[in-house]
Amino acid sequence: EIVLTQSPTTMAASPGEKVTLTCRASSSVSYMHWYQQRSGASPKLWIYETSKLASGVPNRFSGSGSGTSYSLTINSMETEDAATYYCQQGSSYPPTFGAGTKLELK
Amino acid sequence: EVQLQQSGAELVKPGASVKLSCKTSGYTFSNYYMSWLKQMPGQNIEWIGNIYGGNGGTGYNQKFKGKATLTVDKSSSTAYMDLSSLTSEDSAVYFCARHYYSGSLDYWGQGVMVTVSS
Repeated sequence: EIVLTQSPTTMAASPGEKVTLTCRASSSVSYMHWYQQRSGASPKLWIYETSKLASGVPNRFSGSGSGTSYSLTINSMETEDAATYYCQQGSSYPPTFGAGTKLELK
Repeated sequence: EVQLQQSGAELVKPGASVKLSCKTSGYTFSNYYMSWLKQMPGQNIEWIGNIYGGNGGTGYNQKFKGKATLTVDKSSSTAYMDLSSLTSEDSAVYFCARHYYSGSLDYWGQGVMVTVSS
């Protein structure tokens, strides 16, 4: 199965700061999807097919990448963005998730 | 509005089985796969398997074969997951999630906590 490695594991960002989370796959994948999960809640699809924002996601978020290297960027950190973000590949079965990046507010 | 409503928390004894449900509304159930996922406290998300709402065809993560059995009831647009021979390693939150065409999971249930304890 494809292993996804996210970095950093944890980070803190100040309001207004630019944030970049990365996800590396052990083999090439066609797309990467990203989810936001707050404590005690279910994950929400945040970015799909590498760069498409899910409904309701602010446009300060963006996604990019190809092959084995993908990233999620927040152009300007806001309080509500503090959460854990997971990447997920669905190109190869079984679908797999990264271990997550916990993004905290500084 | 697409909604996935999961059944309530379960406390079960080791060795027992449990059946979880995921009742859907707001979309054509038979046109999509439903995935089930496991998340242990503070840990990663694991994909257990999926089932097609149209014909009940299934696919499983090898890790969960023999542990999980997925079924559907098209008449009520509900997906089910049976977990058998439960141990403490099965204590986790289980989610159902609609499987979108590109392999993403676009709608999720609220999750159900399963606790295995004597």
